Amino acid sequence: LAKTTQPISMDSYEGQEVNITCSHNNIATNDYITWYQQFPSQGPRFIIQGYKTKVTNEVASLFIPADRKSSTLSLPRVSLSDTAVYYCLVGSTTSGTYKYIFGTGTRLKVLA
Amino acid sequence: AAGVIQSPRHLIKEKRETATLKCYPIPRHDTVYWYQQGPGQDPQFLISFYEKMQSDKGSIPDRFSAQQFSDYHSELNMSSLELGDSALYFCASSPRRGGIATDTQYFGPGTRLTVL
Repeated sequence: LAKTTQPISMDSYEGQEVNITCSHNNIATNDYITWYQQFPSQGPRFIIQGYKTKVTNEVASLFIPADRKSSTLSLPRVSLSDTAVYYCLVGSTTSGTYKYIFGTGTRLKVLA
Repeated sequence: AAGVIQSPRHLIKEKRETATLKCYPIPRHDTVYWYQQGPGQDPQFLISFYEKMQSDKGSIPDRFSAQQFSDYHSELNMSSLELGDSALYFCASSPRRGGIATDTQYFGPGTRLTVL
């Protein structure tokens, strides 16, 4: 399973766009990139998933360059409630189930 | 929409006691995963089940066992509890689509286990 590297923490202000970049140099051909958000004492919540290029949903965008060795989660106009830990996950079904290996996520703090 | 249900939400046990955590996946999800998250740590994969069979194993201690039942709910059994077992235990479920890597895992609210 590919190992991911993210910044440990980031600060931002309300209303700004936040970009969190994740490195996954050893990503395999059939691996997907998935981002989760976790609030204290709650289960991780799915944000977005992609394979290549750009994916957008109602809460975020995910940018993946052609070599797929990195990805960037973009959160538009963050609010105080976006303060959380964000995990970048890469995994594949080598054993029949899509196992996630959580690395150290990015602790985003949104300031007023 | 229905979510993953975990029970109990909180559990307090003494050292060397046993504990059983339950997980009820989202309807029509047949794959269940268990994760452990210690204080200030990131979630660690323990074990997963697909169609009532163990499909993958992570850093689950030998003192722990788990199974998935015919209705797809799963139970994590923990024996000889140690202080270090105090953690949040998350269950996640996903729909099986022939092992395609796009299966999204949906996490439950977790069970907070405190071992005294």
